[in-house]
Amino acid sequence: AQTVTQSQPEMSVQEAETVTLSCTYDTSESDYYLFWYKQPPSRQMILVIRQEAYKQQNATENRFSVNFQKAAKSFSLKISDSQLGDAAMYFCAYRDNAGNMLTFGGGTRLMVKP
Amino acid sequence: GAGVSQSPSNKVTEKGKDVELRCDPISGHTALYWYRQSLGQGLEFLIYFQGNSAPDKSGLPSDRFSAERTGGSVSTLTIQRTQQEDSAVYLCASSSGAGGRQPQHFGDGTRLSIL
Repeated sequence: AQTVTQSQPEMSVQEAETVTLSCTYDTSESDYYLFWYKQPPSRQMILVIRQEAYKQQNATENRFSVNFQKAAKSFSLKISDSQLGDAAMYFCAYRDNAGNMLTFGGGTRLMVKP
Repeated sequence: GAGVSQSPSNKVTEKGKDVELRCDPISGHTALYWYRQSLGQGLEFLIYFQGNSAPDKSGLPSDRFSAERTGGSVSTLTIQRTQQEDSAVYLCASSSGAGGRQPQHFGDGTRLSIL
């Protein structure tokens, strides 16, 4: 079974600084997708960024980028120029190509200090 | 609607009662998913629908849990004889198709509290 691990229960960053959230996963599949979701207090899970395992290039969405290391099974999220609105729970998630369910990590609570 | 809609937003009920949670997916989305988010267990998959059929029910924790989807649209998750351990946020998501590539779009969830 696939597992996703987020080793940082909580992280803190100064506004305008850069922070990196860690995620590792375990799978025997070669074709899969990785996601970062943001969950603010409103509870809605908001898709931040997506990475296809077959792509070598790291995904980027504005201030958000990933460092995808397939051999190491690592998928970290970098947030640049952190803003107060970035404060939320962040979940790393895995989904294999044939599967339907998302497997989530335990989450990292990000606090942004003004 | 523009996004996934869930109702009620919050539900408080007594132990032993039955509850129904509703999910209205994004229009045109054929795939629908239920997840449960609780303090002790994190985010867990419950059930997946493709159209009106549920090819994957592997995450339902007990036979007290059931779900249906009608007209390829609205889904209802029913919990019978609720227990305190059922207290959690129940999240619904939909996607435009099955398979890993299609991102899942989530609703705001229903917070269920069992007294």
